[in-house]
Amino acid sequence: GAVVSQHPSWVICKSGTSVKIECRSLDFQATTMFWYRQFPKQSLMLMATSNEGSKATYEQGVEKDKFLINHASLTLSTLTVTSAHPEDSSFYICSAPREGKGTYNEQFFGPGTRLTVL
Amino acid sequence: GDSVTQMEGPVTLSEEAFLTINCTYTATGYPSLFWYVQYPGEGLQLLLKATKADDKGSNKGFEATYRKETTSFHLEKGSVQVSDSAVYFCALTGAGSYQLTFGKGTKLSVIP
Repeated sequence: GAVVSQHPSWVICKSGTSVKIECRSLDFQATTMFWYRQFPKQSLMLMATSNEGSKATYEQGVEKDKFLINHASLTLSTLTVTSAHPEDSSFYICSAPREGKGTYNEQFFGPGTRLTVL
Repeated sequence: GDSVTQMEGPVTLSEEAFLTINCTYTATGYPSLFWYVQYPGEGLQLLLKATKADDKGSNKGFEATYRKETTSFHLEKGSVQVSDSAVYFCALTGAGSYQLTFGKGTKLSVIP
């Protein structure tokens, strides 16, 4: 099946610093990628839709200036948490749909990145 | 908007017991329905899916049938194993959309 990777798998940073998380589709191209946040024992909350070649679309309540998204190529999207604070600590997950006939609505998920802000 | 409601856990079963996790949805048109599984410390994996009414998705002994009349997609397995311990998410995408709407997840623990 299709593979989506995330890097790093976990990161610990100090409050006030910025952290970049990469999401890559390894064996297919993705013009769209999604970024989710998962709180402990809760479901995934869609944060934003990353669009290659254009601005990301953010869900209501998600701060655009805090969570910067760049879809640099057809296989890479990055999420930068700027000026991180302890309340930003969470599990961040990306996904990418594999486009094509018959599979247009199937998404593949990265393994997630655990962010801890001290 | 679209929504997914699934039974809250945690669910604890003995090995070889029968499993049902209920899932109902609200959506316009004809959504595609999915069950994802998240094993401890790992990302989400697609377990099974159904893209039209009366379709049955199946994988690894798990089954779910797309019931449009009851707007349901209940997950079942006849005999669970310890290795099935995980969090299970019911989800949907609207027609022609990539965007997933998830239920809150149900944690399953299977004890020997």
